[in-house]
Amino acid sequence: EAQVTQNPRYLITVTGKKLTVTCSQNMNHEYMSWYRQDPGLGLRQIYYSMNVEVTDKGDVPEGYKVSRKEKRNFPLILESPSPNQTSLYFCASTGASSGELFFGEGSRLTVL
Amino acid sequence: AQSVTQPDIHITVSEGASLELRCNYSYGATPYLFWYVQSPGQGLQLLLKYFSGDTLVQGIKGFEAEFKRSQSSFNLRKPSVHWSDAAEYFCAPLPGGSQGNLIFGKGTKLSVKP
Repeated sequence: EAQVTQNPRYLITVTGKKLTVTCSQNMNHEYMSWYRQDPGLGLRQIYYSMNVEVTDKGDVPEGYKVSRKEKRNFPLILESPSPNQTSLYFCASTGASSGELFFGEGSRLTVL
Repeated sequence: AQSVTQPDIHITVSEGASLELRCNYSYGATPYLFWYVQSPGQGLQLLLKYFSGDTLVQGIKGFEAEFKRSQSSFNLRKPSVHWSDAAEYFCAPLPGGSQGNLIFGKGTKLSVKP
């Protein structure tokens, strides 16, 4: 089954404790992206990657890092989480021509 | 600057009534256009897309959307709403067909009255 898998789905952590949200897709997609969703603000892009070793900033990259060492994986790293990073995070991927984004089920992160 | 606007934050319709959700965009050239739906507690799912050609496109779940170049709009419609359509709907233009900074509208939340 074609899917984008995120882990963890839910996480409560404390300020400053590094964490990684993993994202993996099994569709051989070149493009992957991370979004955060906040009430009233919709989805805002954090980082995206056009292919392996190619990443770029989205609209709200501050406080986040990403890497793309393999085509299927695109982890989101919060080196020193802060409460304003409490949010619902989505990973998405798409193939080169379709433009259609396939989304993971989301990761709800709470930073205390 | 490129932007997308969904003017209605929250819409309530009665089951069986028709629905139109608005989307306006501001881009230098006509982008590819997408509508996504997010059911409560779920990720986003593609409803329909417009790349070129026929300006009325059909999607899943009985939805359709009409591209109007003169109005820079891509409004989503459904003739008869079902209770299961209660969800949040997002419009997303993709500039020049190139994947990159794909932005979304802020969403319209649809509630359905019995």
